[in-house]
Amino acid sequence: EAGVTQSPTHLIKTRGQQATLRCSPISGHTSVYWYQQALGLGLQFLLWYDEGEERNRGNFPPRFSGRQFPNYSSELNVNSLELEDSALYLCASSLYVGELFFGEGSRLTVL
Amino acid sequence: GIQVEQSPPDLILQEGANSTLRCNFSDSVNNLQWFHQNPWGQLINLFYIPSGTKQNGRLSATTVATERYSLLYISSSQTTDSGVYFCAVSGNTPLVFGKGTRLSVIA
Repeated sequence: EAGVTQSPTHLIKTRGQQATLRCSPISGHTSVYWYQQALGLGLQFLLWYDEGEERNRGNFPPRFSGRQFPNYSSELNVNSLELEDSALYLCASSLYVGELFFGEGSRLTVL
Repeated sequence: GIQVEQSPPDLILQEGANSTLRCNFSDSVNNLQWFHQNPWGQLINLFYIPSGTKQNGRLSATTVATERYSLLYISSSQTTDSGVYFCAVSGNTPLVFGKGTRLSVIA
């Protein structure tokens, strides 16, 4: 059974650009979570989607947004990139409530 | 929101030694997970343990929900155990992570 898959693995952008990260959950999982791990800041919750709806949002500005598609895959969009957006972005999936399983992450570098 | 504290922040062990990592949390939870983050950043699931005790090979974990703490035991440590160990908990919100324990196992 395939795990959570994320793409791209690495992404390099410049300040002011937009970045789009993608995540495919484990088959049968309806919830997708996005976390940011910036250097020295630990793992911070970004967004939670379930059944196509945004269920919860962390303390991030509106330029961080996303969506969940009918097949439960998800994308995270970061607009107007800033240097401090450089981080590892981790996606996880679960059944509505339960154990979370993480993908390998997408490393975003903003120059 | 829920606060999660992990200790110690850093731990250096000789290969073959045993260790105990601790996770304290500030409120009742219905989910508690332990992860190992490998050098490439991937979070590997170790235990899903909102209460009770579980064992998996050289690793075991115990959560005492009424006292709001969990322990991760690593026995006969190996160099491949090196990395950062995270505890994460949730009540009715998504997982909140502790700051982790960085374990270095030296040969």
